[in-house]
Amino acid sequence: QVQLVESGGGVVRPGGSLRLSCAASGFTFSNYGMHWVRQAPDKGLEWVAVIYYDGSNQYYADSVKGRFTISRDNSKNTLYLQMNSLRAEDTAVYYCARNLDSRGYYYFDYWGQGTLVTVSS
Amino acid sequence: DIQMTQSPSSLSASVGDRVTITCRASQSIGRFLNWYQQRPGQAPQVLIYAASSLQSGVPSRFSGSGSGTDFTLTISSLQPEDFATYYCQQSYSSLRNTFGQGTKLEIK
Repeated sequence: QVQLVESGGGVVRPGGSLRLSCAASGFTFSNYGMHWVRQAPDKGLEWVAVIYYDGSNQYYADSVKGRFTISRDNSKNTLYLQMNSLRAEDTAVYYCARNLDSRGYYYFDYWGQGTLVTVSS
Repeated sequence: DIQMTQSPSSLSASVGDRVTITCRASQSIGRFLNWYQQRPGQAPQVLIYAASSLQSGVPSRFSGSGSGTDFTLTISSLQPEDFATYYCQQSYSSLRNTFGQGTKLEIK
């Protein structure tokens, strides 16, 4: 069965860095684009970044562009999110999600359980 | 970026009620609209994709409709497990996905 398991969350000071991982299993990881989506405490969902199936392209929300980097290692079935220059407003649960293309319509069909990032001094 | 606006932001209803949630896009998005359900403490899960296609395993009491800028999610007969928060998402701009702000469905 498809599984996505995030790790790497924790408490970090403003201006600090953190790297999140998402370990994928139960499907051919290298065939799918992958996303990061975050959710601040008691807030809605915010899309963060996407990476193509082969890692050739990445796109970011304006709120994280220049500070976050999405990457993947298809040999390890793992997705990453490198977060630098962290701010208090980056505090959130971070989810990885698989992108499914159904006849040209895209949606997120599997999600991880999330990992909490807290930016605080 | 395409903005997605849901209404209402919250809704109280009873088991067995028929409920409709609306999502409006700031520009035409065709049928590139998805609906997700998020129960407290859980990750979101997709209910509807391409505006009206039911995801495998999702109960048939959930349905979606609309195209262009206006979309609806309907739950035909609320069950206890349906009390959750619902989000719409546009995938027209698939490289810059945006979600609505959410609709919290509570028990009356």
